[in-house]
Amino acid sequence: AQTVTQSQPEMSVQEAETVTLSCTYDTSESDYYLFWYKQPPSRQMILVIRQEAYKQQNATENRFSVNFQKAAKSFSLKISDSQLGDAAMYFCAYRPTGANNLFFGTGTRLTVIP
Amino acid sequence: DTGVSQDPRHKITKRGQNVTFRCDPISEHNRLYWYRQTLGQGPEFLTYFQNEAQLEKSRLLSDRFSAERPKGSFSTLEIQRTEQGDSAMYLCASSWDYEQYFGPGTRLTVT
Repeated sequence: AQTVTQSQPEMSVQEAETVTLSCTYDTSESDYYLFWYKQPPSRQMILVIRQEAYKQQNATENRFSVNFQKAAKSFSLKISDSQLGDAAMYFCAYRPTGANNLFFGTGTRLTVIP
Repeated sequence: DTGVSQDPRHKITKRGQNVTFRCDPISEHNRLYWYRQTLGQGPEFLTYFQNEAQLEKSRLLSDRFSAERPKGSFSTLEIQRTEQGDSAMYLCASSWDYEQYFGPGTRLTVT
């Protein structure tokens, strides 16, 4: 079974500081995709960053970067220079190469403190 | 293109009534997905279309649920004889490849 675990239901960070959100997943597949989605309050889910499992280099998108540890099945999201607009629910998601759907974790609610 | 749109954004219905939701994907996307999200949980997959063909259905999609995507464009999700347990956010997503883009969702409340 494919499961995604986000062990931090809530996190907080001071504005301009750095925060890391954790995600682990369980799979027997060797090729897959991993994603972080952001869901602001009452707004739609937005794709933040993606990682292909065959790539060893960690993905980076501006202030967002990931630490992908394939052997450990870990996929954490680092947000640098946190901004008030980063406050949201963050969902980690996994998709095997041969599948069509995403498997989501339960989310981490991030609060940014001014 | 303004992204994935869904209509209505909110729906309140009485138990036993039928409801239908609509999703308009990003125009060049041939793949369309429906998910359900309950409070405090991540989205759960319901069904998947490639063009007009419904290729995958989750076991979560009971007989009371039906989805269509005529002509491979917009999609509808119908729930018959709604139950209180159907109360959730219903999300639609579309994609061209493996990156899925989500709509704002339809929040269903069954009273």
